[in-house]
Amino acid sequence: GDSVTQMEGPVTLSEEAFLTINCTYTATGYPSLFWYVQYPGEGLQLLLKATKADDKGSNKGFEATYRKETTSFHLEKGSVQVSDSAVYFCALNLNSGNTPLVFGKGTRLSVIA
Amino acid sequence: NAGVTQTPKFQVLKTGQSMTLQCAQDMNHNSMYWYRQDPGMGLRLIYYSASEGTTDKGEVPNGYNVSRLNKREFSLRLESAAPSQTSVYFCASSGDRGYGYTFGSGTRLTVV
Repeated sequence: GDSVTQMEGPVTLSEEAFLTINCTYTATGYPSLFWYVQYPGEGLQLLLKATKADDKGSNKGFEATYRKETTSFHLEKGSVQVSDSAVYFCALNLNSGNTPLVFGKGTRLSVIA
Repeated sequence: NAGVTQTPKFQVLKTGQSMTLQCAQDMNHNSMYWYRQDPGMGLRLIYYSASEGTTDKGEVPNGYNVSRLNKREFSLRLESAAPSQTSVYFCASSGDRGYGYTFGSGTRLTVV
């Protein structure tokens, strides 16, 4: 079945460091791909998305490129801040049918000053 | 404020008690979902409703029932709570497929 695999955390970085969180997927069709962020004590918020191969989603300095050849959607940010500390979830949604989002298990990021 | 509203935010139940978690959205979304979040397990889908009048099981439906009361509201019921149902429950809704989900702020449930 469809699935999403994320790198396991926690990830701890110093402020202004470069961030990469790996995400790979398995899907039978042509999915849309998403990154969600969950700040402490809150629900998930959509961070960015890409709906077809080679699309780049971006928001708040975060970027991810839909790579069909490697079935990946890695999240990157050039310079993290303490306020980026959160749990990040990669997810996919097939572009046909009525199937719900499939989420990865999440990666906890802690940024220290 | 537009979005997804969940009530209550916190609840403690005794084993065997029943309760209903409420969820309402005001974005005119067709689809609604219930997830549970446990440490190390990510999000697991309990039930979803692709449109008003329809519901389908997700990955972990046992011990739960749902009702899609109308387009706005989607409730989750625990008929006989068990300690294994201690979790944080999130409701979400979505419109067009490519736009992702909007999540509520969650209900933290403890069953003792």
